[in-house]
Amino acid sequence: NAGVTQTPKFQVLKTGQSMTLQCAQDMNHEYMSWYRQDPGMGLRLIHYSVGAGITDQGEVPNGYNVSRSTTEDFPLRLLSAAPSQTSVYFCASRPSLAKNIQYFGAGTRLSVL
Amino acid sequence: DQQVKQNSPSLSVQEGRISILNCDYTNSMFDYFLWYKKYPAEGPTFLISISSIKDKNEDGRFTVFLNKSAKHLSLHIVPSQPGDSAVYFCAAKEEGGSEKLVFGKGTKLTVNP
Repeated sequence: NAGVTQTPKFQVLKTGQSMTLQCAQDMNHEYMSWYRQDPGMGLRLIHYSVGAGITDQGEVPNGYNVSRSTTEDFPLRLLSAAPSQTSVYFCASRPSLAKNIQYFGAGTRLSVL
Repeated sequence: DQQVKQNSPSLSVQEGRISILNCDYTNSMFDYFLWYKKYPAEGPTFLISISSIKDKNEDGRFTVFLNKSAKHLSLHIVPSQPGDSAVYFCAAKEEGGSEKLVFGKGTKLTVNP
């Protein structure tokens, strides 16, 4: 029972580089989200998706792109990494019937130098 | 502008005693509240929730109390166990279709044997 799987667990980038954080869930959940957590802060929503082909912006979307071509996968793309994007990134999913309870992955710790 | 506030960064209690974690919110449109627990190097896991139409919800050792007039909620853990040592996040959500969960900064609970 894998749940929500995020890869990689750790990543170091140089300013200006691009990369994709992967998120996959095997629970057939319709809703998926990306959050970031900065030191001493709560989690903040970046982007979310309510189903394949449908995405929307959260609280802090700038500098990130997402797409949802399948129910299982919801990758997060950093177009041109900046030091301000140094953070821990969490992917979450939930079924449509569990209105508010999200299931989180273990996170990706990203450092941008 | 923090809409969800956890004013105690840390709390230390003895095993077997009660742990009380507090959370205040400012947005009167919030109608659903959740508590998540997070261990180091893991993603947050759902603990317990409460709808704004209730003032108490209980699940085993965990009870959440909601005081809407004071815009305050609290999580009680009785009896506390060393395995409860973790960071606890309070989160809130507005009525409607938005996926946005607003998180507090978290309270680190340490339960001493």
